[in-house]
Amino acid sequence: AQSVAQPEDQVNVAEGNPLTVKCTYSVSGNPYLFWYVQYPNRGLQFLLKYITGDNLVKGSYGFEAEFNKSQTSFHLKKPSALVSDSALYFCAVRDKAGAWGGATNKLIFGTGTLLAVQP
Amino acid sequence: DAGVIQSPRHEVTEMGQEVTLRCKPISGHDYLFWYRQTMMRGLELLIYFNNNVPIDDSGMPEDRFSAKMPNASFSTLKIQPSEPRDSAVYFCASSLRATSGNEQFFGPGTRLTVL
Repeated sequence: AQSVAQPEDQVNVAEGNPLTVKCTYSVSGNPYLFWYVQYPNRGLQFLLKYITGDNLVKGSYGFEAEFNKSQTSFHLKKPSALVSDSALYFCAVRDKAGAWGGATNKLIFGTGTLLAVQP
Repeated sequence: DAGVIQSPRHEVTEMGQEVTLRCKPISGHDYLFWYRQTMMRGLELLIYFNNNVPIDDSGMPEDRFSAKMPNASFSTLKIQPSEPRDSAVYFCASSLRATSGNEQFFGPGTRLTVL
């Protein structure tokens, strides 16, 4: 079964320092990987995705993620953290095709990582 | 586009009452998803539709929960009767056809409190 794991419940980083939020995946076939962010009392917002091509994916708000096939990882990164980046971050993988053989947009989400950026 | 619209934003009800949550997906999207988020269980997929047809309802917790999508622009999630353990934030999300791995767009959520 497709799955993602976010090994850290919380990541603390000082403002201005680089940040990394980790995600590893387990899939059959080629993965479709996503990162979402959730600010307090808001819905999830799409940040970026990896489908194919360049292993370094750039997304919204200065975030990027690196796809590493050998390590089955898709870590989220940002060169310089802002206090406003403090939020809950979710990694997700697209589920495999349904029983009827068609593609699906169903996503399997990780448990989330709370990012706290201190001023 | 206004994005995914959910109503109400907050709902407080008493145990045993019927609760109906509503969702309007982004125009043109053919997938619609209902999720539930709690501190204990995180984000759970309850059910999803493709072209108004329920595809996978394996996440629906029990028969008290039901979801419908009568047309491409409207869906409901109903809980009858409601119980305190149903208290959670319920999200609706929509996405465009699956062939290119399109992302889901989430609504702001409905915070349900069952007393």
